[in-house]
Amino acid sequence: DGGITQSPKYLFRKEGQNVTLSCEQNLNHDAMYWYRQDPGQGLRLIYYSQIVNDFQKGDIAEGYSVSREKKESFPLTVTSAQKNPTAFYLCASSVRDRGLYEQYFGPGTRLTVT
Amino acid sequence: DQQVKQNSPSLSVQEGRISILNCDYTNSMFDYFLWYKKYPAEGPTFLISISSIKDKNEDGRFTVFLNKSAKHLSLHIVPSQPGDSAVYFCAASALGQGAQKLVFGQGTRLTINP
Repeated sequence: DGGITQSPKYLFRKEGQNVTLSCEQNLNHDAMYWYRQDPGQGLRLIYYSQIVNDFQKGDIAEGYSVSREKKESFPLTVTSAQKNPTAFYLCASSVRDRGLYEQYFGPGTRLTVT
Repeated sequence: DQQVKQNSPSLSVQEGRISILNCDYTNSMFDYFLWYKKYPAEGPTFLISISSIKDKNEDGRFTVFLNKSAKHLSLHIVPSQPGDSAVYFCAASALGQGAQKLVFGQGTRLTINP
């Protein structure tokens, strides 16, 4: 089955610790994305990568870092510099279909920092 | 600056009736629009999209209408079913600029009552 996996589904960390969220896709998509969702808000773009070894900041990149060493993997590190890290994090990938782009999402990771 | 707005946080519709979800945008460079459906603690799933060269796209019970002059799009679901109860996000992209970034609205929670 092709798809996007995010692990773990729930993650708990103490304040001041860095934490890395996993995202893997076997859809052979070139582009991958990280979003965060907060209650009552839409999805906000953290980072995106259109190709291996290249990535760009999204709208809320401060306090986060990413890497794209393999096409299938796009891990997100939430650093201690992120002021409000508790959120639902979503990873997505996209394919160009008939000239249009549609993003496919993973199941998400809920991160709680106390 | 909210470029994509869904002004109704919630909507309640009776089963079998039509559900109409609305979305407004401000960026005239947007030329591709999508609707996603999201259940709690899951990633969004793609529903339907429309290019700015069209004003309507239909897929089964789902129809999206685009009014470029008003910078407004809407999603019609008819007939509404209990399984349609979810949060719906509209999203927009500026494909003409080569961007794969999506900008999401805040979401509308749709509840279908029996």
